[in-house]
Amino acid sequence: EIVLTQSPGTLSLSPGERATLSCRASQSVSSSYLAWYQQKPGQAPRLLIYGASSRATGIPDRFSGSGSGTDFTLTISRLEPEDFAVYYCQQYGSFPITFGQGTRLEIK
Amino acid sequence: QVQLVESGGGVVQPGGSLRLSCAASGFTFSSYGMHWVRQAPGKGLEWVAFIRYDGSNKYYADSVKGRFTISRDNSKNTLYLQMNSLRAEDTAVYYCAKEEWELLHLYYFDYWGQGTLVTVSS
Repeated sequence: EIVLTQSPGTLSLSPGERATLSCRASQSVSSSYLAWYQQKPGQAPRLLIYGASSRATGIPDRFSGSGSGTDFTLTISRLEPEDFAVYYCQQYGSFPITFGQGTRLEIK
Repeated sequence: QVQLVESGGGVVQPGGSLRLSCAASGFTFSSYGMHWVRQAPGKGLEWVAFIRYDGSNKYYADSVKGRFTISRDNSKNTLYLQMNSLRAEDTAVYYCAKEEWELLHLYYFDYWGQGTLVTVSS
């Protein structure tokens, strides 16, 4: 099983700032099969990024993904008020599919 | 527009059973792989099970293997999760989730239902 470790656990930033979220895998994720989701309280997760760096339909270009192998990053270039939420990475290169434990992005 | 609507959640005693349903609309259900993902209260996401678009292949998380069964009825556009021998640690919101690509299994999820809460408690 591939274990995904996200850091930091909580990130406190202000609107307009840049956010950098990390996801590290316990072994290489094949074909960069890594996705990122955003979840707000009481809502289902929302797909942001797939294939490590491809933005999902309708996702603003302030969201970008990068990385390969075992190290992946989600960057939000300029935070908007609606971006404060919990973010999860997910690997889908092998079963069992696994998620990171999440990074909470909170307003400073 | 794509809609996934779960139902069937509720309170059940340890050792009991429950069947969840996910009614799909707005896309060709029979062409897409489907999954169940759960989230315990205040916790992160946990993948539970996958079923191929035609039902011919299934995978399960070790935590539910032998107790849960995923199935689908493509004539009814509905996904199911039969949950037996339920434990307190199965308490969670259960989401059904759709893969993005038709007939091509890339196991990430572009649409999710709103979730249904399962509580296992005596």
